[in-house]
Amino acid sequence: DTEVTQTPKHLVMGMTNKKSLKCEQHMGHRAMYWYKQKAKKPPELMFVYSYEKLSINESVPSRFSPECPNSSLLNLHLHALQPEDSALYLCASRATWGTGELFFGEGSRLTVL
Amino acid sequence: GQQVMQIPQYQHVQEGEDFTTYCNSSTTLSNIQWYKQRPGGHPVFLIQLVKSGEVKKQKRLTFQFGEAKKNSSLHITATQTTDVGTYFCAGRRTSYDKVIFGPGTSLSVIP
Repeated sequence: DTEVTQTPKHLVMGMTNKKSLKCEQHMGHRAMYWYKQKAKKPPELMFVYSYEKLSINESVPSRFSPECPNSSLLNLHLHALQPEDSALYLCASRATWGTGELFFGEGSRLTVL
Repeated sequence: GQQVMQIPQYQHVQEGEDFTTYCNSSTTLSNIQWYKQRPGGHPVFLIQLVKSGEVKKQKRLTFQFGEAKKNSSLHITATQTTDVGTYFCAGRRTSYDKVIFGPGTSLSVIP
């Protein structure tokens, strides 16, 4: 299984809502990533978990709260978002051996009204 | 902070023509990766370069890493319509976890 699965594929939420994005992989990878991607822009690094511990937070606003409950799962909790947070949120995982390639999920398309 | 730039931003080529995108970093990189993202898709890993001056080939794609490990290029020979997409370089400096993407080059191929 070489897949990273993200749910939901699409999410529409109001600025007062609380929602979560989920990411799952069963490749035994111990590094997991959240990236944000706006249209015609590159993926922008948000968070990295390494061995279930937060290793990188790229000064992301606290309305985004990551969680790594176990080595296969990564969540991104969303609260009080702004319309400018609308974007494609990509999860990726990486093995701690080999080339260090990132395996990306298909993304969750988020719209904040 | 770590800056990775790419040129050109957009490239339109006739099918069968060659294509090159260049990636430049303001700092020395420990390694560089290349990804391709098709329209509506997600980034897919193409290759990683680690050594100074390294050259790798994948069929019609040739990847180079500069001697100073600050620049890289991707060359596609005889483009096909299946090459359409955005090509991103992504660099690592000191932290193995931190993978920063360049702005990308969007390739259109006219049949």
